[in-house]
Amino acid sequence: KAGVTQTPRYLIKTRGQQVTLSCSPISGHRSVSWYQQTPGQGLQFLFEYFSETQRNKGNFPGRFSGRQFSNSRSEMNVSTLELGDSALYLCASSLALVGGTDTQYFGPGTRLTVL
Amino acid sequence: AQTVTQSQPEMSVQEAETVTLSCTYDTSESDYYLFWYKQPPSRQMILVIRQEAYKQQNATENRFSVNFQKAAKSFSLKISDSQLGDAAMYFCAYRSATSKLTFGTGTRLQVTL
Repeated sequence: KAGVTQTPRYLIKTRGQQVTLSCSPISGHRSVSWYQQTPGQGLQFLFEYFSETQRNKGNFPGRFSGRQFSNSRSEMNVSTLELGDSALYLCASSLALVGGTDTQYFGPGTRLTVL
Repeated sequence: AQTVTQSQPEMSVQEAETVTLSCTYDTSESDYYLFWYKQPPSRQMILVIRQEAYKQQNATENRFSVNFQKAAKSFSLKISDSQLGDAAMYFCAYRSATSKLTFGTGTRLQVTL
């Protein structure tokens, strides 16, 4: 079974631009979560989607948004990019079992650099 | 809010030796899950092992095992017969039915010859 895939793997943008990152979950997985990883802040939760609905959200400004499609694929968008948005963005998928404590499996990440 | 603490920023172990990585967490919940993830230089986050809080038996996956002390809120990872490929950042993580997956700050493990 194929793992979680993320596209693109690397991205360079300039301040003020917007960016869209894509995540395809493992087949059969219905939940997708997004995380931002930086050297200073570590791994921080952005949001979680299940059945096209945002189920949980982290403490990020409204410039960060996401969505999930009917095939469980997910996208996250960052508008008006700032230098501090440079990070590794990780996507994780899970089966979304009852109780929400199932294991998350991660993709390889998208490395975003904002100049 | 739940917190996860990894007090060892870096650890080093010789090949074939055993090393233990520490993790403590804070929660008021009784039902939750704990995880250890490994992030090698490729940055791919890989699940190492998972422990359900309701299980008293410590989880084991080949050379990896945990020491889960629920009352002490401690969840350490033991790596036996360390291999060069074990070199990576190791993250301890917590999740419950009502909370997101929360990570510790990580422990960088070096494996020397």
